[in-house]
Amino acid sequence: DTAVSQTPKYLVTQMGNDKSIKCEQNLGHDTMYWYKQDSKKFLKIMFSYNNKELIINETVPNRFSPKSPDKAHLNLHINSLELGDSAVYFCASTLRLNTEAFFGQGTRLTVV
Amino acid sequence: GENVEQHPSTLSVQEGDSAVIKCTYSDSASNYFPWYKQELGKRPQLIIDIRSNVGEKKDQRIAVTLNKTAKHFSLHITETQPEDSAVYFCAASIGSNYKLTFGKGTLLTVNP
Repeated sequence: DTAVSQTPKYLVTQMGNDKSIKCEQNLGHDTMYWYKQDSKKFLKIMFSYNNKELIINETVPNRFSPKSPDKAHLNLHINSLELGDSAVYFCASTLRLNTEAFFGQGTRLTVV
Repeated sequence: GENVEQHPSTLSVQEGDSAVIKCTYSDSASNYFPWYKQELGKRPQLIIDIRSNVGEKKDQRIAVTLNKTAKHFSLHITETQPEDSAVYFCAASIGSNYKLTFGKGTLLTVNP
């Protein structure tokens, strides 16, 4: 009965490859997010979707493309992976504005 | 945009002592201030939050204070225990948007 789940948990890939991370929430929340946590633990928002609509795109390279097929899913596709993309990517969801964010378990992406 | 500064970046205390983590925010329109705890290798989880119409909130050993005039809020943990050891993040958001801005985190170590 995991609230927010991401797959895969670990992803090791070579530079230049394309990869996707999937996220699903079963909380009935309207808003979903992608955050990037770098090696210094800084949590930075990348994207925010509300009811399948893109609300926030925080100057993320266009190699990153989120897709929300429905309110319960928000996937992240990354093209032409670079070394600097190595990080932990967290999906999260909230019921509405200014309420608790529930995070997925994270996907540790390592680009070699 | 909103900027959240968090201090200290590391904090080491003896078991039973109190710990205080401080944050400042830049946007006076921010009205929601959550605190998240992230244990090593785990997802961030909400431990307490406060809204701008409240000056203080307490939950057992954890309390948060907010000074809107100074744009400053703090987390207080009393009677610390080894299991309190984690990275703590403060955050701020404005009610009209979907962006939660995090501070850079404080690594709290509670020594037995």
